[in-house]
This record gives sequence, C-alpha cells and structure tokens, in this order.
Amino acid sequence: NAGVTQTPKFRVLKTGQSMTLLCAQDMNHEYMYWYRQDPGMGLRLIHYSVGEGTTAKGEVPDGYNVSRLKKQNFLLGLESAAPSQTSVYFCASSRTGTSGGELFFGEGSRLTVL
Amino acid sequence: AQRVTQPEKLLSVFKGAPVELKCNYSYSGSPELFWYVQYSRQRLQLLLRHISRESIKGFTADLNKGETSFHLKKPFAQEEDSAMYYCASKRTGANNLFFGTGTRLTVIP
Repeated sequence: NAGVTQTPKFRVLKTGQSMTLLCAQDMNHEYMYWYRQDPGMGLRLIHYSVGEGTTAKGEVPDGYNVSRLKKQNFLLGLESAAPSQTSVYFCASSRTGTSGGELFFGEGSRLTVL
Repeated sequence: AQRVTQPEKLLSVFKGAPVELKCNYSYSGSPELFWYVQYSRQRLQLLLRHISRESIKGFTADLNKGETSFHLKKPFAQEEDSAMYYCASKRTGANNLFFGTGTRLTVIP
C-alpha cells in the first residue's frame, strides 16, 4: 500500500522555468492538500481540494496553480518559478476534511530555484 | 487568524527524564488540536488528537482553554522519541490544518 506518493522527489529549476509536482494517493481519499515547509515557518497550506474537479486556495497560494482532474491525483504547478519558491513541498490526503484531522503525508519534494 | 506557536525549536532531554513540548494556539473559538511527529527518514504522521483524549507511545496532551495551550508530555523519555514534533490546529468544520514551526526533540542516551 503506497499511500501518498509524490514525484519528483528532487528538482532544480532556473528562475522563470515551469514545472509540475504530482501527488497520487491510493486510499480513495476525498481531500488532498499541498503544503510547503520552510525553515522556521512550519508547514503552510498552498492549495487544497475537497473532491475531484474542485480546488481552493490555502494560506500561501500565490505563484501556484493546482488541478484535481482525477480523484487520486493532485497536481501542483509553478508557471514561472522564483527563488522564493525554493522549499520542500508536501502533499497530503484525508478521508474527509473533518475526519478528526488525520492527514496522510507524502515523503516530500525538495525544489530549488536558482 | 489561527496561529499555533511552538516556542522551542530544539529540546534535549536525557533518557528517562520527563519531557514537555509546548504548544500555544491563538484561535478564540473551539479549535481541534493535534500533535504530528516526523521520525528520521519517515513521513509526517499523526501522533494524537485532543478530542480522543488518548495516550500514544506514552505521550499525552491536555487542552487548556484558559491558557490556550496543548502541551505534549511524556513522563519518561525514550531514545526512540527523538523526532520532529509539530502542533497543529483546525477550526471545527474547516478543511485547513494550521501547523506550528515544530520542535526537534533529542533524547540523550
């Protein structure tokens, strides 16, 4: 049982380049989330989805876009990467948004923007 | 806005000593509070939630509404408790979990 899988795990980009992070979950969860983790900042929510075809902004959505075309996948896109987007990105999923707060996390994707 | 504060970035204790990781929240309503843990080379995972009033791996946490705190405690620390601990809160019915900045606990043998 893979749980939540993120690809790629590492990526280096130049300023202005675009890329997409893919998150896949095999638990049939309705809710999916993208967080970024920065030193001294904890985890901050970028975007989330409450079901297939839906997306919503989180705490720090600027510079990112997301799509949830399939229930099991949640894509995070950077159209024009900036050095400020250097971070570790975590995808998570949960059965429902009010499922007692238990999120299942991926292993993280480390992105460096030069 | 909801905020979760973990004042200690690093905490070291000796094996067998009591440990307390501090967490304070700012939400004035009725929040749901959680502790997440990330062991070395493992994924972030839920440790416990206040609503369950449970003890997991010897850890407990009591919600103190008067002090707006949700400190994580264990009477006798073990080496395997060394990890990164995050306190998190959410408003009842909301979809967003707010995380603190985390505390790295090191248990010294």
